[in-house]
Amino acid sequence: DQQVKQNSPSLSVQEGRISILNCDYTNSMFDYFLWYKKYPAEGPTFLISISSIKDKNEDGRFTVFLNKSAKHLSLHIVPSQPGDSAVYFCAALFVFDMRFGAGTRLTVKP
Amino acid sequence: DTAVSQTPKYLVTQMGNDKSIKCEQNLGHDTMYWYKQDSKKFLKIMFSYNNKELIINETVPNRFSPKSPDKAHLNLHINSLELGDSAVYFCASSQEGPTNTGELFFGEGSRLTVL
Repeated sequence: DQQVKQNSPSLSVQEGRISILNCDYTNSMFDYFLWYKKYPAEGPTFLISISSIKDKNEDGRFTVFLNKSAKHLSLHIVPSQPGDSAVYFCAALFVFDMRFGAGTRLTVKP
Repeated sequence: DTAVSQTPKYLVTQMGNDKSIKCEQNLGHDTMYWYKQDSKKFLKIMFSYNNKELIINETVPNRFSPKSPDKAHLNLHINSLELGDSAVYFCASSQEGPTNTGELFFGEGSRLTVL
């Protein structure tokens, strides 16, 4: 039972444009949501997080939006850069239990 | 120095064998995890240990046995390996606390191939 879902396996955008990655979850008990970035042959690395009591968190080019009523969050990257090309995992946390989505492969074309 | 290190990085073995993957973190974290990334690329939690105590044990065959000799180590032992055990296994750690945002620090992964 996938509690965190990323329905788009891949996304391709042009350099300089906005990338929007989406994530849905089913468990309303989650209290933190995170995005991780993963390059090939490496472990995922933390990118940005948001508490369930907020609806937006911004860090440089990265902004995460949370819509609790829709159980939906999104990651916006603007402007997108070729170095952003990676797999992005959405994750949701309740106490020690972190659940991941299947990932979205982002390709940013020069 | 690598914060979370796993060994071996690659492991190829025959069905029925027993193997171990070791994990060490030098971040002083209290909680360690094992995740499995299968062929469909899902990252699924297997186990979580907090201060050497098991706190999450997902529906994992009992052929998988985690061992935490101390807070800095969480090893994964697998008995009677099966073809379906082929995957990349990630170790991770985190530090709990009132300002914690739940960030996990991952190792580089250990790719297990069962022939």
